[in-house]
Amino acid sequence: GAVVSQHPSWVICKSGTSVKIECRSLDFQATTMFWYRQFPKQSLMLMATSNEGSKATYEQGVEKDKFLINHASLTLSTLTVTSAHPEDSSFYICSARDPYRERGTQHFGDGTRLSIL
Amino acid sequence: GQQLNQSPQSMFIQEGEDVSMNCTSSSIFNTWLWYKQDPGEGPVLLIALYKAGELTSNGRLTAQFGITRKDSFLNISASIPSDVGIYFCAGQLMASYDKVIFGPGTSLSVIP
Repeated sequence: GAVVSQHPSWVICKSGTSVKIECRSLDFQATTMFWYRQFPKQSLMLMATSNEGSKATYEQGVEKDKFLINHASLTLSTLTVTSAHPEDSSFYICSARDPYRERGTQHFGDGTRLSIL
Repeated sequence: GQQLNQSPQSMFIQEGEDVSMNCTSSSIFNTWLWYKQDPGEGPVLLIALYKAGELTSNGRLTAQFGITRKDSFLNISASIPSDVGIYFCAGQLMASYDKVIFGPGTSLSVIP
């Protein structure tokens, strides 16, 4: 089945640091990837849609200068949390869509736990 | 914006019991999806529904796409301890390439 890999799985860093999270589709080419944020005991909230070779589309209320998204290849999208602060601590999950299989169903990575001290 | 409502919010059941949870929306969805999430992991797709009225099974799980296109239910038969987790309904307003909107989730606990 389709596999999506996220790296790192968890990261702890100091306030003010920028953190990069990678999302890779391992056995398919993903023209579209999605980034979600999930706070404890809450649902997944879509942050942005990442399209290969073009600018990401951000959901309302998500700061594009704070959460930089790059989708430079068909198998890799990155999310960079710039100048992270404690309120950015959350579980970040990506998903990737295989347009040629299972009606383009999205497959999710295992998430990245980000803790800002 | 579009919002999904899920019920119940949480449930505690005895092993072997059947479980039913449902999801409603004020908007018409083109696709309904059911995911399960274990702690510290990403959600895993259980069942995808693409047509109004569609009834689909995946092992002990059965889900249906409501006729009105505004609701869906998920049933789990003969629950086992590994069914514990958070179950999310999710929908896509347009075609399958559209963004997925998640419901608030149902937390399931199974008592052995």
